[in-house]
Amino acid sequence: AAGVIQSPRHLIKEKRETATLKCYPIPRHDTVYWYQQGPGQDPQFLISFYEKMQSDKGSIPDRFSAQQFSDYHSELNMSSLELGDSALYFCASSFDRKSYEQYFGPGTRLTVT
Amino acid sequence: AQKITQTQPGMFVQEKEAVTLDCTYDTSDPSYGLFWYKQPSSGEMIFLIYQGSYDQQNATEGRYSLNFQKARKSANLVISASQLGDSAMYFCAMRDHTGGGNKLTFGTGTQLKVEL
Repeated sequence: AAGVIQSPRHLIKEKRETATLKCYPIPRHDTVYWYQQGPGQDPQFLISFYEKMQSDKGSIPDRFSAQQFSDYHSELNMSSLELGDSALYFCASSFDRKSYEQYFGPGTRLTVT
Repeated sequence: AQKITQTQPGMFVQEKEAVTLDCTYDTSDPSYGLFWYKQPSSGEMIFLIYQGSYDQQNATEGRYSLNFQKARKSANLVISASQLGDSAMYFCAMRDHTGGGNKLTFGTGTQLKVEL
Protein backbone atom coordinates (compact mmCIF):
# COMPACT_ATOMS: atom_id res chain seq x y z
CA ALA A 1 0.00 0.00 0.00
CA ALA A 2 1.16 3.53 -0.72
CA GLY A 3 2.59 5.41 2.23
CA VAL A 4 3.39 9.01 3.01
CA ILE A 5 6.46 10.20 1.14
CA GLN A 6 8.77 12.85 2.47
CA SER A 7 11.68 14.39 0.68
CA PRO A 8 14.46 14.85 1.19
CA ARG A 9 15.15 12.28 3.87
CA HIS A 10 18.22 14.12 5.06
CA LEU A 11 19.17 17.75 4.71
CA ILE A 12 22.17 19.68 5.92
CA LYS A 13 22.02 23.48 5.92
CA GLU A 14 24.01 26.29 7.40
CA LYS A 15 22.71 28.93 9.74
CA ARG A 16 20.65 31.63 8.06
CA GLU A 17 19.98 29.46 5.01
CA THR A 18 16.54 28.36 3.85
CA ALA A 19 15.13 24.86 3.52
CA THR A 20 12.07 23.36 1.89
CA LEU A 21 10.64 20.06 3.03
CA LYS A 22 8.09 18.21 0.94
CA CYS A 23 5.34 15.82 1.89
CA TYR A 24 3.24 13.66 -0.41
CA PRO A 25 0.23 12.22 1.44
CA ILE A 26 -1.35 8.87 0.81
CA PRO A 27 -3.61 9.06 -2.28
CA ARG A 28 -7.11 10.39 -1.46
CA HIS A 29 -5.92 11.79 1.86
CA ASP A 30 -6.76 15.49 2.00
CA THR A 31 -5.40 16.34 5.46
CA VAL A 32 -1.73 16.86 6.28
CA TYR A 33 -0.06 17.45 9.64
CA TRP A 34 3.51 18.60 10.25
CA TYR A 35 5.42 17.76 13.45
CA GLN A 36 8.88 18.69 14.66
CA GLN A 37 10.86 16.35 16.88
CA GLY A 38 14.00 17.80 18.42
CA PRO A 39 16.82 15.52 19.60
CA GLY A 40 15.62 13.42 22.52
CA GLN A 41 12.23 15.12 22.53
CA ASP A 42 8.66 14.18 21.71
CA PRO A 43 7.10 15.35 18.45
CA GLN A 44 5.49 18.78 18.57
CA PHE A 45 2.65 19.79 16.27
CA LEU A 46 3.52 22.63 13.89
CA ILE A 47 0.68 23.08 11.43
CA SER A 48 -2.03 21.23 9.54
CA PHE A 49 -3.91 21.59 6.29
CA TYR A 50 -7.30 20.37 5.15
CA GLU A 51 -8.45 20.68 1.58
CA LYS A 52 -5.56 23.01 0.74
CA MET A 53 -6.36 25.43 3.54
CA GLN A 54 -4.57 25.87 6.83
CA SER A 55 -6.59 24.00 9.41
CA ASP A 56 -4.71 24.48 12.67
CA LYS A 57 -1.52 26.03 13.88
CA GLY A 58 0.74 25.00 16.71
CA SER A 59 4.14 26.16 17.86
CA ILE A 60 5.43 27.07 14.42
CA PRO A 61 7.99 29.88 14.29
CA ASP A 62 7.21 32.91 12.15
CA ARG A 63 10.28 32.02 10.08
CA PHE A 64 8.44 28.92 8.89
CA SER A 65 5.62 28.84 6.42
CA ALA A 66 3.74 26.01 4.82
CA GLN A 67 1.10 25.35 2.24
CA GLN A 68 -0.84 22.54 0.67
CA PHE A 69 -1.10 22.42 -3.10
CA SER A 70 -3.86 21.38 -5.48
CA ASP A 71 -2.50 17.83 -5.65
CA TYR A 72 -2.60 17.76 -1.80
CA HIS A 73 1.14 17.61 -1.35
CA SER A 74 2.48 20.00 1.23
CA GLU A 75 5.69 21.96 1.63
CA LEU A 76 7.24 23.37 4.77
CA ASN A 77 9.46 26.37 4.07
CA MET A 78 11.99 27.34 6.69
CA SER A 79 14.01 30.54 6.48
CA SER A 80 16.83 32.08 8.52
CA LEU A 81 17.65 28.66 9.87
CA GLU A 82 18.96 28.43 13.42
CA LEU A 83 20.90 25.67 15.14
CA GLY A 84 17.79 24.92 17.19
CA ASP A 85 15.87 24.03 14.03
CA SER A 86 17.89 20.82 13.78
CA ALA A 87 15.26 18.14 14.19
CA LEU A 88 13.32 15.34 12.61
CA TYR A 89 10.34 16.73 10.73
CA PHE A 90 7.41 14.42 10.25
CA CYS A 91 4.50 14.75 7.93
CA ALA A 92 1.38 12.71 8.58
CA SER A 93 -1.72 12.38 6.47
CA SER A 94 -5.27 11.33 7.18
CA PHE A 95 -8.30 10.63 5.03
CA ASP A 96 -10.00 13.81 6.19
CA ARG A 97 -9.95 16.29 9.02
CA LYS A 98 -12.25 14.20 11.19
CA SER A 99 -10.40 10.93 10.75
CA TYR A 100 -8.38 10.01 13.82
CA GLU A 101 -5.95 7.77 11.96
CA GLN A 102 -2.75 9.55 11.00
CA TYR A 103 -0.18 7.86 8.84
CA PHE A 104 3.31 9.14 9.39
CA GLY A 105 5.98 9.55 6.76
CA PRO A 106 9.55 8.46 7.42
CA GLY A 107 10.58 12.00 8.37
CA THR A 108 13.15 14.48 7.12
CA ARG A 109 16.20 14.87 9.31
CA LEU A 110 17.36 18.47 9.13
CA THR A 111 20.78 19.37 10.47
CA VAL A 112 21.71 23.04 10.74
CA THR A 113 25.43 23.74 11.15
CA ALA B 1 -5.19 21.91 27.61
CA GLN B 2 -4.46 18.26 27.06
CA LYS B 3 -1.50 16.58 28.66
CA ILE B 4 0.11 13.18 28.34
CA THR B 5 2.46 11.93 31.04
CA GLN B 6 4.87 9.04 30.67
CA THR B 7 6.82 8.64 33.88
CA GLN B 8 9.20 5.90 32.78
CA PRO B 9 12.10 7.34 30.79
CA GLY B 10 13.58 3.88 30.34
CA MET B 11 12.55 0.27 30.84
CA PHE B 12 14.32 -3.05 30.56
CA VAL B 13 12.60 -6.36 29.91
CA GLN B 14 13.86 -9.86 29.23
CA GLU B 15 13.02 -11.51 25.95
CA LYS B 16 9.72 -13.41 26.01
CA GLU B 17 8.53 -11.54 29.09
CA ALA B 18 5.61 -9.10 29.16
CA VAL B 19 6.15 -5.41 29.86
CA THR B 20 3.81 -2.55 30.71
CA LEU B 21 4.54 1.00 29.65
CA ASP B 22 2.66 3.61 31.64
CA CYS B 23 0.68 6.52 30.27
CA THR B 24 -1.64 8.91 32.07
CA TYR B 25 -3.55 11.71 30.46
CA ASP B 26 -5.51 14.79 31.30
CA THR B 27 -8.28 16.28 29.20
CA SER B 28 -11.58 18.05 29.67
CA ASP B 29 -12.90 16.74 26.36
CA PRO B 30 -15.47 13.96 26.92
CA SER B 31 -14.58 12.46 23.55
CA TYR B 32 -10.95 11.63 23.02
CA GLY B 33 -8.64 9.03 21.58
CA LEU B 34 -5.36 7.61 22.76
CA PHE B 35 -2.58 6.20 20.63
CA TRP B 36 0.67 4.37 21.08
CA TYR B 37 3.49 4.77 18.59
CA LYS B 38 6.81 2.97 18.34
CA GLN B 39 9.89 4.81 17.17
CA PRO B 40 12.91 2.62 16.47
CA SER B 41 16.39 4.09 16.24
CA SER B 42 15.85 4.57 12.49
CA GLY B 43 13.38 7.30 13.37
CA GLU B 44 10.08 6.40 11.75
CA MET B 45 6.85 6.58 13.76
CA ILE B 46 4.98 3.30 13.70
CA PHE B 47 1.35 3.23 14.79
CA LEU B 48 0.67 0.42 17.26
CA ILE B 49 -2.76 0.73 18.79
CA TYR B 50 -5.70 3.10 19.32
CA GLN B 51 -8.29 3.41 22.07
CA GLY B 52 -11.35 5.63 21.80
CA SER B 53 -12.80 7.08 24.99
CA TYR B 54 -16.18 5.47 24.33
CA ASP B 55 -14.82 2.07 23.36
CA GLN B 56 -16.26 -0.54 25.69
CA GLN B 57 -13.38 -2.95 25.40
CA ASN B 58 -9.66 -2.53 25.72
CA ALA B 59 -7.95 -2.39 22.35
CA THR B 60 -5.72 -5.26 21.26
CA GLU B 61 -3.48 -5.65 18.23
CA GLY B 62 -1.49 -8.86 18.17
CA ARG B 63 1.05 -8.74 21.01
CA TYR B 64 -0.03 -5.22 21.95
CA SER B 65 -2.91 -4.48 24.27
CA LEU B 66 -4.01 -1.29 25.89
CA ASN B 67 -5.04 -1.34 29.54
CA PHE B 68 -7.54 1.52 29.51
CA GLN B 69 -8.72 2.71 32.92
CA LYS B 70 -10.91 5.71 32.24
CA ALA B 71 -11.57 6.67 35.87
CA ARG B 72 -7.85 6.72 36.57
CA LYS B 73 -7.11 8.42 33.23
CA SER B 74 -4.54 5.86 32.32
CA ALA B 75 -3.86 4.05 29.05
CA ASN B 76 -0.98 1.68 29.64
CA LEU B 77 0.53 -0.33 26.80
CA VAL B 78 1.16 -4.00 27.45
CA ILE B 79 3.56 -5.84 25.18
CA SER B 80 3.43 -9.58 25.59
CA ALA B 81 6.22 -12.01 24.73
CA SER B 82 8.81 -9.28 24.16
CA GLN B 83 11.16 -9.63 21.24
CA LEU B 84 14.54 -8.05 20.58
CA GLY B 85 12.93 -6.05 17.78
CA ASP B 86 10.66 -4.37 20.32
CA SER B 87 13.60 -2.30 21.56
CA ALA B 88 12.60 1.25 20.67
CA MET B 89 11.15 4.48 22.01
CA TYR B 90 7.42 4.30 22.71
CA PHE B 91 5.20 7.34 22.69
CA CYS B 92 1.71 7.67 24.08
CA ALA B 93 -0.35 10.34 22.33
CA MET B 94 -3.79 11.89 22.45
CA ARG B 95 -5.74 13.49 19.68
CA ASP B 96 -6.55 17.14 20.23
CA HIS B 97 -9.73 18.48 18.66
CA THR B 98 -8.99 22.15 19.29
CA GLY B 99 -8.64 23.85 15.93
CA GLY B 100 -11.05 21.44 14.33
CA GLY B 101 -8.64 18.72 13.36
CA ASN B 102 -7.03 15.80 15.11
CA LYS B 103 -3.51 16.92 15.86
CA LEU B 104 -1.62 14.72 18.30
CA THR B 105 -0.19 15.66 21.66
CA PHE B 106 2.63 13.30 22.64
CA GLY B 107 4.13 12.25 25.93
CA THR B 108 7.87 12.34 26.50
CA GLY B 109 8.28 8.70 25.62
CA THR B 110 9.67 5.55 27.21
CA GLN B 111 12.83 3.93 25.90
CA LEU B 112 12.35 0.17 26.02
CA LYS B 113 15.28 -2.22 25.81
CA VAL B 114 14.67 -5.93 25.41
CA GLU B 115 17.50 -8.11 26.70
CA LEU B 116 18.39 -11.76 26.08
